[in-house]
Amino acid sequence: SYVLTQPPSVSVAPGMTATITCGGNNIARKGVHWYQQKPGQAPILVIYYDADRPSGIPERFSGSNSDNTATLTISRVEAGDEADYYCQVWDSTSAHVVFGGGTKLTVL
Amino acid sequence: QVQLVESGGDLVKPGGSLRLSCAASGFSFSDSYMSWIRQTPGKGLEWVSYISSSGDTIYYADSVKGRFTISRDNAENSLYLQMNSLRADDTAVYYCAQAGGPAAEIDYWGQGTLVTVSS
Repeated sequence: SYVLTQPPSVSVAPGMTATITCGGNNIARKGVHWYQQKPGQAPILVIYYDADRPSGIPERFSGSNSDNTATLTISRVEAGDEADYYCQVWDSTSAHVVFGGGTKLTVL
Repeated sequence: QVQLVESGGDLVKPGGSLRLSCAASGFSFSDSYMSWIRQTPGKGLEWVSYISSSGDTIYYADSVKGRFTISRDNAENSLYLQMNSLRADDTAVYYCAQAGGPAAEIDYWGQGTLVTVSS
């Protein structure tokens, strides 16, 4: 089955740029979605189809996807961005929705 | 305003059964693909099952195949998950979620309902 690999944690100082990766075999051939989840809350969509941003999500959130790695970038990080972030794809071979293991973003 | 409200979570013994429901409003339920996604406390997200808008296409995660059954009632704007032969590792918060298609992003999530499997 298809596997998505994320770093367990990323730390960044306020105002700096956070980069969260999502690795998968030829992931560039798939559409990658990213979700933000704060403690006690349901996830919310922050990036869809690699790089599109839903309405209401700040322009500080951006995404890219190339070769075997998709990337979520958060510019000018704020304390309110501290959360768990998950990548997700559809694996058509297995007909499964696949989530990465999640990355905890800590704002120092 | 989109709302997905799950119910039915409870404490159940191993081997028992439970039926989760999700009441949808604020969007065209009958045009939406729906999923159940679970999250073990303190852990990551795990997709459980997916049903197409008409209900004619259904997929399951390998971990629940043969034990769980997803269904929907478009007239009632409701999604269901029948869970049989429950195991301790099924303990999780179960989220109802809406997407535009199998490969599409999940636009909306419910707040979740807790299922605890324990003797």
